Amino acid sequence: AQSVTQPDIHITVSEGASLELRCNYSYGATPYLFWYVQSPGQGLQLLLKYFSGDTLVQGIKGFEAEFKRSQSSFNLRKPSVHWSDAAEYFCAVGAQSSNQFYFGTGTSLTVIP
Amino acid sequence: NAGVTQTPKFQVLKTGQSMTLQCAQDMNHEYMSWYRQDPGMGLRLIHYSVGAGITDQGEVPNGYNVSRSTTEDFPLRLLSAAPSQTSVYFCASSGTTTDSVWAEAFFGQGTRLTVV
Repeated sequence: AQSVTQPDIHITVSEGASLELRCNYSYGATPYLFWYVQSPGQGLQLLLKYFSGDTLVQGIKGFEAEFKRSQSSFNLRKPSVHWSDAAEYFCAVGAQSSNQFYFGTGTSLTVIP
Repeated sequence: NAGVTQTPKFQVLKTGQSMTLQCAQDMNHEYMSWYRQDPGMGLRLIHYSVGAGITDQGEVPNGYNVSRSTTEDFPLRLLSAAPSQTSVYFCASSGTTTDSVWAEAFFGQGTRLTVV
């Protein structure tokens, strides 16, 4: 069965520090992988996606993510966090075999000055 | 460009009442879906549709019905509301007749539902 694990429920970082949010997935075939961000009271916005090719993908707002097949991971990174990055982040897998998206439980990011 | 529009934004229901959450998209997307978001559980898929006239169940379909009579609209019906259905509901759409359904999912702003 497909699943997505985000092991960190909540992360606090200082403004200007680097950030890495972890995501591990379980899926039998090559997955479609996504990172979404949700600001308070808002819907989800796509940050980046991976379908194939270069395993390091660039997204909006200075985010990037690296697909590591051997580790079944798709971790999100940002070299320098801004206060406006405080939000909830969701990793998701698109399972073509079942036409369904599977979301992780999310990581809440707090940015302190 | 409105994207995905959900109504209402907030709703309070009494146990046993029924209601319909509306979702409309203007991007000619084939794929539409409904999720519920609960604390600590992420988003869970309720129902989805890969095109007009086609619907299927997701992970948590019990207590909900959907229909897809047009490409644009995908309403979610709560048949007999229960306190366990208190949640935030999101509608999403993706894909067109020429693009991959997996390109990007566009989400509505959500409906916060409380069942008392």
